[in-house]
Amino acid sequence: EPEVTQTPSHQVTQMGQEVILRCVPISNHLYFYWYRQILGQKVEFLVSFYNNEISEKSEIFDDQFSVERPDGSNFTLKIRSTKLEDSAMYFCASSTGEDEQFFGPGTRLTVL
Amino acid sequence: LAKTTQPISMDSYEGQEVNITCSHNNIATNDYITWYQQFPSQGPRFIIQGYKTKVTNEVASLFIPADRKSSTLSLPRVSLSDTAVYYCLVGEGNAGKSTFGDGTTLTVKP
Repeated sequence: EPEVTQTPSHQVTQMGQEVILRCVPISNHLYFYWYRQILGQKVEFLVSFYNNEISEKSEIFDDQFSVERPDGSNFTLKIRSTKLEDSAMYFCASSTGEDEQFFGPGTRLTVL
Repeated sequence: LAKTTQPISMDSYEGQEVNITCSHNNIATNDYITWYQQFPSQGPRFIIQGYKTKVTNEVASLFIPADRKSSTLSLPRVSLSDTAVYYCLVGEGNAGKSTFGDGTTLTVKP
């Protein structure tokens, strides 16, 4: 069964450093998403991406965040200058737009 | 997007049927109702989606009354492995963002 994959599974970084979280969506999917979940809290939407551009973003997705689909398979989330409060699980998801969103296993980001 | 309200937690025993109800009083005409399951340190996993009446798949049933202001996820004969957080979402299909509420933590006991 096809699945969304994410790397790395755990990323530790120093405050102020840039991080790039990587995702490989399911191959025939057209819609891509990033969500985050701070420990013990609910899943929060960050951004959706379709046809090589952002289709929707939340208040959380400020200028420190960017997304990119650099090739035909990867979908990345970049945080330019990490803050302590960016520590969370980051989930990538993809969808055909007709069926449900398929979520990846997540990347745990720890900012020290 | 319609706001959803679910019980914070529920307890059950193995083999029992579990029904989790979600309120969504301001659901819009184009909105679908979707349920996800999440285990600790894992991404949410789709369970079921419906628009009205009843939907059934291999893992659950979804009951939606005529006014669509609530919905009930029914899990038949739960096992310990069904212990998870269950989220009810309301929105326009699957292309747009998914807005998660606080979810219901289901604990299945032996």
